[in-house]
Order: sequence, then structure tokens, then C-alpha cells
Amino acid sequence: SYELSQPPSVSVSPGQTAIITCSGDKLGDKYAYWYQQKPGQSPVLIIYQDAKRPSGIPERFSGSNSGNTATLTISGTQAMDEADYYCQAWDSSTAYVFGTGTIVTVL
Amino acid sequence: QVTLKESGPVLVKPTETLTLTCTVSGFSLNNARMGVSWIRQPPGKALEWLAHMYSNDEKSYSRSLKSRLSISKDTSKSQVVLTMTNMDPVDTATYYCARTHVLIGGNGFDIWGQGTIVTVSS
Repeated sequence: SYELSQPPSVSVSPGQTAIITCSGDKLGDKYAYWYQQKPGQSPVLIIYQDAKRPSGIPERFSGSNSGNTATLTISGTQAMDEADYYCQAWDSSTAYVFGTGTIVTVL
Repeated sequence: QVTLKESGPVLVKPTETLTLTCTVSGFSLNNARMGVSWIRQPPGKALEWLAHMYSNDEKSYSRSLKSRLSISKDTSKSQVVLTMTNMDPVDTATYYCARTHVLIGGNGFDIWGQGTIVTVSS
């Protein structure tokens, strides 16, 4: 079955750049999606089709996807960005797959 | 405004069957550009996809849970229903329904419900 792996946690200082990776076999051949989930809330789509932002998502969120790794970058990280982040992809054998999740802490 | 809302029992006993309903508004379940999935999240753990309902009535299930899951829809009621048999305490989780849309590539979830918490305990 298809699996996506993420680092358990990422720490970043306010104003700095946070980079969250998502690894999966030939992930670059698929579309990657990213979701932000704050405590007690439902996930929110922040990146779709590797690098596109839905309306209302700040420009400081960006994405890329190549090879076996998709990357979510948060530029100029703010305290409000502290949350769990999940990547997700679709695979023909497994259908929808979520990553293991990354806790982003803004110190 | 597009919304999805989950409903169902808060507490189920081990071995019982869980039935959850996702009521959608702002779009039709017959719309070929959209579909609805069920996704769950145990306390403190990651998201896990369970099942998907396509507009053409095709269905897709998690390989690991396929034998226990059934998804259906009632277009007239704008509802997608998930049943899960033989519930176990490890199935305790928040259960979400979420929409896919071709505008975002069709393979991601643009709108999520608020989730419903299900506890499995005797």
C-alpha cells in the first residue's frame, strides 16, 4: 500500500521559514495536497495540486513536489501558523492517502 | 454556501454497527465534478481516509477496512451514509466527511465538515 511520511515536528522562530517535507514513492508523479489543522478544528486545505493556494490562504504558504518529496514552505511564519500539517495524495492502488502529520511549533 | 455536517451516535458498544450521516448543502451529490469521502482521526493521531462516494454511484474503500465499511448516498436528501460493522475501542475517533472537487484536481478535499466524535465503549 502507498504511504506518506512526514517529520513528527518542526520548530520555527517567528518571522523565519518553516519547511515541512512529505515523502512517498514517486510522489512527484502525483498531486500533493496540504492541510492545516488547529486544535479542536477540522482540517483546512491550504495547498492543492502541489503548489496552488485556495482563495483566502496567505501567500506565505507555498508548495512544491518533485521526485519522492513534496514540500510545504511557510515563509515569515506567524504565531497563528502553529498547527498540525498533513500532506495527502491519491494513489491508484490505495486511493486517498494522508501523511503521518507534522506539528509545527512557533517558538 | 457549501457545508457538510456529520451526524450519528456519540457512543457505540463493541461489536455494534456504526451508522454516520453526512448532510451536504450548497451542492448536489449528482454533480459530476464532486464527490464525498469519510475520513477519521483517533485522538492525538493522524487522519485516515475510509471511503469515497462518487457522483456516478461508484465507491472506493480503504483496503484495510473494506470488509467492515459500506458507503451509500441518498441524493434526494443530500446525504452520504457510512456504516462500519463490528466496532472496536480502537475505532474511537472523530469522523469527518469532506468534499472533492475537480477544480482542485479531484483528488483532494476542499471543504470539510465539523466532525463528529464517536466513542466505542461498553
